[in-house]
Amino acid sequence: DVKVTQSSRYLVKRTGEKVFLECVQDMDHENMFWYRQDPGLGLRLIYFSYDVKMKEKGDIPEGYSVSREKKERFSLILESASTNQTSMYLCAVKGPNIYEQYFGPGTRLTVT
Amino acid sequence: GENVEQHPSTLSVQEGDSAVIKCTYSDSASNYFPWYKQELGKRPQLIIDIRSNVGEKKDQRIAVTLNKTAKHFSLHITETQPEDSAVYFCAASSDGNNRLAFGKGNQVVVIP
Repeated sequence: DVKVTQSSRYLVKRTGEKVFLECVQDMDHENMFWYRQDPGLGLRLIYFSYDVKMKEKGDIPEGYSVSREKKERFSLILESASTNQTSMYLCAVKGPNIYEQYFGPGTRLTVT
Repeated sequence: GENVEQHPSTLSVQEGDSAVIKCTYSDSASNYFPWYKQELGKRPQLIIDIRSNVGEKKDQRIAVTLNKTAKHFSLHITETQPEDSAVYFCAASSDGNNRLAFGKGNQVVVIP
């Protein structure tokens, strides 16, 4: 199985702070994804990357940016955190099966 | 882009009964349909998937059926057990970069 880890399980930040969420995979997989999960809204794609230094916007990229400097690491950046970015953030990696995605444990971010 | 809808949003079943969750999709080019299970406090995990060249797939107590003409697919859980209680997400993909469009999720509650 693909192992996906995220830097924090819980994070509390203040409005206006710059926030970094990190995702690391233990295999040599190209495609990585960032989702946010909110009750009643399911999993919504923020950004994804299919190679180092490559990124594409998902369905809700506003207020976020990403960085992929190394193949194993994909970072989600909130340039200026706002209260409406309080959410569960899930990283995923496409595994060896052509479409299957493996999820990290998630980071619950609270912006106060 | 692809739009995936799930119904019902919450489903309660008696232990031992069957549960059926239905999803519809909008993009006729979609060719891969996975189902993910998310237990409380845990990450989503793939439980079964189906490709568009197959009408039905079964794995022990779970099965997925696909109707390409009607653009819907369903998850069937037979002989439900308390450990089947979870949120179930359907998804669809037609994307070369393996993007998945997720539904909003169904909360399944198995009553002992």
